[in-house]
Amino acid sequence: DTAVSQTPKYLVTQMGNDKSIKCEQNLGHDTMYWYKQDSKKFLKIMFSYNNKELIINETVPNRFSPKSPDKAHLNLHINSLELGDSAVYFCASRGLAGSGELFFGEGSRLTVL
Amino acid sequence: SQQGEEDPQALSIQEGENATMNCSYKTSINNLQWYRQNSGRGLVHLILIRSNEREKHSGRLRVTLDTSKKSSSLLITASRAADTASYFCATDAGGSQGNLIFGKGTKLSVKP
Repeated sequence: DTAVSQTPKYLVTQMGNDKSIKCEQNLGHDTMYWYKQDSKKFLKIMFSYNNKELIINETVPNRFSPKSPDKAHLNLHINSLELGDSAVYFCASRGLAGSGELFFGEGSRLTVL
Repeated sequence: SQQGEEDPQALSIQEGENATMNCSYKTSINNLQWYRQNSGRGLVHLILIRSNEREKHSGRLRVTLDTSKKSSSLLITASRAADTASYFCATDAGGSQGNLIFGKGTKLSVKP
């Protein structure tokens, strides 16, 4: 069983479109995250979500919005896609807020044309 | 920013040799973690060292932490071709959200 699963794995779309990436974890974790990895492999945290408390990295454009229907899911919605949004997006979860390891999904590669 | 910085950016060695990667960071931490990323895959946790620990071992991995110098090193002994991957350090300052801040990674290539 996959602990943290993301869909889709690949997403190719046009500028200006709106898209969503879904993430589910079956580990019973309380905290979930979204990271963006650019072409130079640099990982940047975008959001963390714990018990309905959302922490947003202030550098993330408001075109990006996380949505959590329940504790096991944290989806990422992106409006008005731009070329610079092309990257690999990783979902991760963590059992104990503030400690322990992250469990990552396999990533969703977004290409904006 | 307490972002970690790995050194070197890229490392190429022969199978059987040891590989050492270094990580420096800027602010106080609760713990430091190392992750591995194979090409096209997600990150996988390797080892965690707490701020009150100086050295930790796990199989062929050895991690050291020097909080006075704000640095850590990851040593992979007797490397194998399968160790080829990118390796990232991540610092954890603790807190209610416990965000991990990742460095830029070291790309390790182990040649058979």
